[in-house]
Amino acid sequence: ELKVEQNPLFLSMQEGKNYTIYCNYSTTSDRLYWYRQDPGKSLESLFVLLSNGAVKQEGRLMASLDTKARLSTLHITAAVHDLSATYFCAVDGYGGATNKLIFGTGTLLAVQP
Amino acid sequence: ETGVTQSPTHLIKTRGQQVTLRCSSQSGHNTVSWYQQALGQGPQFIFQYYREEENGRGNFPPRFSGLQFPNYSSELNVNALELDDSALYLCASSSGPGANVLTFGAGSRLTVL
Repeated sequence: ELKVEQNPLFLSMQEGKNYTIYCNYSTTSDRLYWYRQDPGKSLESLFVLLSNGAVKQEGRLMASLDTKARLSTLHITAAVHDLSATYFCAVDGYGGATNKLIFGTGTLLAVQP
Repeated sequence: ETGVTQSPTHLIKTRGQQVTLRCSSQSGHNTVSWYQQALGQGPQFIFQYYREEENGRGNFPPRFSGLQFPNYSSELNVNALELDDSALYLCASSSGPGANVLTFGAGSRLTVL
């Protein structure tokens, strides 16, 4: 059974600091997704990583993928309060590129002023 | 271009009742997937519809069923509601089962009393 684990589950950080969220998955997968979810809201797509060594950046967020280690990271640079949200990683869970996603448990990020 | 729309946004049912949730896919998208997100958890894949046929199913019992219509909109039906069915139900559409972009709707929040 494919498992996707994130850590930490909860992250409280100060504005201006850097931190990394880790996403480990248990079997091979063609794609790795990162989503943001604000309380009571739907999922907003942040990144789709398609190959080993892929790196994508958008603003203060940068995601990378190491398929050999089955690890993705989401790095936050100089955090601001607006980044407070829950972040999920997800992989294609049912073989190949099917977009039937298995999500991690989520990381609740709270950025304190 | 309209996004994914879901209805109703909120509803309350009692144990044993049945519920139907609706989803209109984004323009140009022919594939619809449904996810269940319990409070504090990551979304869980329920099933996917493509060309009006079920195209993969997660670990959900048969009382969870669905339909896709010729205009690619979709319904999720849940029979014999249980308390644990209380969750946010998310619909996601894509331009095909292998597409690497999923667009999520705002969700339908179901409370079972």
